[in-house]
Amino acid sequence: NAGVTQTPKFRVLKTGQSMTLLCAQDMNHEYMYWYRQDPGMGLRLIHYSVGEGTTAKGEVPDGYNVSRLKKQNFLLGLESAAPSQTSVYFCASGQGSYEQYFGPGTRLTVT
Amino acid sequence: EDKVVQSPLSLVVHEGDTVTLNCSYEVTNFRSLLWYKQEKKAPTFLFMLTSSGIEKKSGRLSSILDKKELFSILNITATQTGDSAVYLCVGGRGTIKKGAQKLVFGQGTRLTINP
Repeated sequence: NAGVTQTPKFRVLKTGQSMTLLCAQDMNHEYMYWYRQDPGMGLRLIHYSVGEGTTAKGEVPDGYNVSRLKKQNFLLGLESAAPSQTSVYFCASGQGSYEQYFGPGTRLTVT
Repeated sequence: EDKVVQSPLSLVVHEGDTVTLNCSYEVTNFRSLLWYKQEKKAPTFLFMLTSSGIEKKSGRLSSILDKKELFSILNITATQTGDSAVYLCVGGRGTIKKGAQKLVFGQGTRLTINP
């Protein structure tokens, strides 16, 4: 099992560009999450999903959109990137308990 | 506002030392306290604590929760260089929505073990 994978691993964007981060899990988990991690701060929840076709806002959702068309995939979109979105993005999945399984992260730089 | 505060933020010790990492929390509708280890990439799960006073152990690592004082500690004995990592304390928050297990992360303690 690959667990949770994220694509791409690194990306540099210019302000105003758009992109989509892909998260995939092969553990048949119902719940999936997108976090961002910034220096000196804990991971903060952007959006999450409690099942295929559902999404909900987390703590810092502004500037991001998500979709969960298939159970195993959770996409995070940035429509118009801003320098404040420079961060490391982690996807996670889980199945009912509070234990979540994290992907390796995507390092995004917006110039 | 929910918060999880860890101390110290950074700790440097020698191999073989014992360390104690601290975590205090204020989490609405608290359900559990989790510890994760983050090396260069993804956080990996260590412990989940739901009951006060019951120590959980895994090898040289152990943890305990005090729900009265809203506090948890993570102990690592006989430290090794491979224990060098950021240790994240996380509050698990229940919600009224189905399955929405929300986690509140502390800022982490960066532990460095020198040979």
